[in-house]
Amino acid sequence: DADVTQTPRNRITKTGKRIMLECSQTKGHDRMYWYRQDPGLGLRLIYYSFDVKDINKGEISDGYSVSRQAQAKFSLSLESAIPNQTALYFCATSDPGAGELFFGEGSRLTVL
Amino acid sequence: AQRVTQPEKLLSVFKGAPVELKCNYSYSGSPELFWYVQYSRQRLQLLLRHISRESIKGFTADLNKGETSFHLKKPFAQEEDSAMYYCALGGSARQLTFGSGTQLTVLP
Repeated sequence: DADVTQTPRNRITKTGKRIMLECSQTKGHDRMYWYRQDPGLGLRLIYYSFDVKDINKGEISDGYSVSRQAQAKFSLSLESAIPNQTALYFCATSDPGAGELFFGEGSRLTVL
Repeated sequence: AQRVTQPEKLLSVFKGAPVELKCNYSYSGSPELFWYVQYSRQRLQLLLRHISRESIKGFTADLNKGETSFHLKKPFAQEEDSAMYYCALGGSARQLTFGSGTQLTVLP
């Protein structure tokens, strides 16, 4: 089935470590997003990409970087993880015309 | 700047009672508004959008530009409606802005 897949689903790491969260999609969408979900704060946009050469910072990009390796792949990196980056991270895709976001199942990251 | 406010973090109602989840937005242009839902152990998914003006799973939401609101309503809540609900705003900005979410619990 066409889908949005995130890996890893769960990760525990230590402060200062580099972490990469990967997202791949088979929906054929050009637009991809990374959101962070925290209790009481909802979903906040970290980065978004409207095609392979169009990458933009979102609301909370500090401490994060992204790579759009192909239309179907969008990776989020934490170069030096810190405890307040402990959160549930979601990748999403969308079709430009529809406006609807399709989400992955989430990657739970814990930084000790 | 665009902003979405969901004033209730938690909302509990009894089965069969009406439910209203509040959403207010701040946006200077012509807004597009959505409700997303996240059931336990499921992905976040679109519930409805204002431009379609449809009822999904008995839920409706009307855009009130005068009050800058897009409240989600259902006349008779069911236990399976228990979930986290997010209001989201799109517009000329190229991405959706989400509210902080409301956790709805429908009690038996």
